[in-house]
Amino acid sequence: KNEVEQSPQNLTAQEGEFITINCSYSVGISALHWLQQHPGGGIVSLFMLSSGKKKHGRLIATINIQEKHSSLHITASHPRDSAVYICAVRRVETSGSRLTFGEGTQLTVNP
Amino acid sequence: EPEVTQTPSHQVTQMGQEVILRCVPISNHLYFYWYRQILGQKVEFLVSFYNNEISEKSEIFDDQFSVERPDGSNFTLKIRSTKLEDSAMYFCASRKLGQRSYNSPLHFGNGTRLTVT
Repeated sequence: KNEVEQSPQNLTAQEGEFITINCSYSVGISALHWLQQHPGGGIVSLFMLSSGKKKHGRLIATINIQEKHSSLHITASHPRDSAVYICAVRRVETSGSRLTFGEGTQLTVNP
Repeated sequence: EPEVTQTPSHQVTQMGQEVILRCVPISNHLYFYWYRQILGQKVEFLVSFYNNEISEKSEIFDDQFSVERPDGSNFTLKIRSTKLEDSAMYFCASRKLGQRSYNSPLHFGNGTRLTVT
């Protein structure tokens, strides 16, 4: 079983829709990252969370430490949001702060 | 905004050859990482580097791999004798050392796509 599970694997939305991507993890963590991977392969860090909620523009990330669950929301989605969204966790017991990654969610937003 | 720079963007090599992937981390960052992503698979941790030594490595990072910070700016990943299964996108990442350094954000380069033929 993967330590980091994302759902859904694939998501297709119409422009303007509200989008939610979920991440569940099974290990103790010190931080959770949401990353965006563009079609060319480059990775951009969107959020780093250890508790509560963060907002940046149309993106909102939440985490529930007790339930070991995080969500990434995109409001008023746009075709330029089309990308792979990746959840990654930093496990408590690792010394070098390595990240363990989920499989990613492929988001396609149609105009 | 400062960024992590990786070169080359794409490298093709023959099986058994040595390759060196290069990275220039952000200048005030002190933790450096290599990750890889085999096509269609998730990103995997290879190695972390701090204070001129490896701080953690994964089971993937065997004797064929090595990392080096040869000067004050570059951070390199060397694969001594490449295998077909080394074909992947290799990402360099860095973060600064802060008061709560384990929670400082990670900055990724755009990756080097390595193709072993």
